[in-house]
Amino acid sequence: DVVMTQSPLSLPVTLGQPASISCRSSQSLVHSDGNTYLNWFQQRPGQSPRRLIYKVSNRDSGVPDRFSGSGSGTDFTLEISRVEAEDLGIYYCMQVTHWPPYTFGQGTKLEIK
Amino acid sequence: EVQLVQSGGGLVQPGGSLRLSCAASGFSFSSHDMHWVRQAPGKGLEWVSSITSGRTIYYADSVKGRFTISRDNAKNSLYLQMNSLRAEDTAVYYCAGSGWFAYWGQGSLVTVSS
Repeated sequence: DVVMTQSPLSLPVTLGQPASISCRSSQSLVHSDGNTYLNWFQQRPGQSPRRLIYKVSNRDSGVPDRFSGSGSGTDFTLEISRVEAEDLGIYYCMQVTHWPPYTFGQGTKLEIK
Repeated sequence: EVQLVQSGGGLVQPGGSLRLSCAASGFSFSSHDMHWVRQAPGKGLEWVSSITSGRTIYYADSVKGRFTISRDNAKNSLYLQMNSLRAEDTAVYYCAGSGWFAYWGQGSLVTVSS
């Protein structure tokens, strides 16, 4: 199974400042079709997960452009250019390349410093 | 607008059974893979089961032999039959749609306790 490791697990941030979350996989997420299937999800308190990014760097409809995804192979990053209050919550990476099973990172809690 | 509306959670004793349902609208249900993901209290997300558009089925080892996923394309609905429930199955269960988990339901709380 592919193990997804996020860091940090807790990220205190100042509103208006940037934030960055790292996600590493135990093996390359490049699929045999050439694509890399790495998603990022946001889960606000008391809400269902919401997909923000798919295939490493593609933003979902309605996702603000302050969110961006990057990376390749086994190392991936979610960046928020300027954190707003509505961004607080837990962020998960998830690999959709080598399944079953689909696997998630442990989650990174974004909170106010 | 895409919607996944879940029903069927609740309190059940260890060894009991429960069935979750997920009604989809706003997208071509029959063309999409569908999934169940759970989240134990205060914990992260865990994939539980998937059924492809072609009806191929997959389970996490932790639920294999106890849970059954199914779909009814005529009713645009996804189901999870959960038998022989254990305390460690206590979680919020989410249905999710599309191969890349684009769509999510509101969650159903399943509590296994005597």
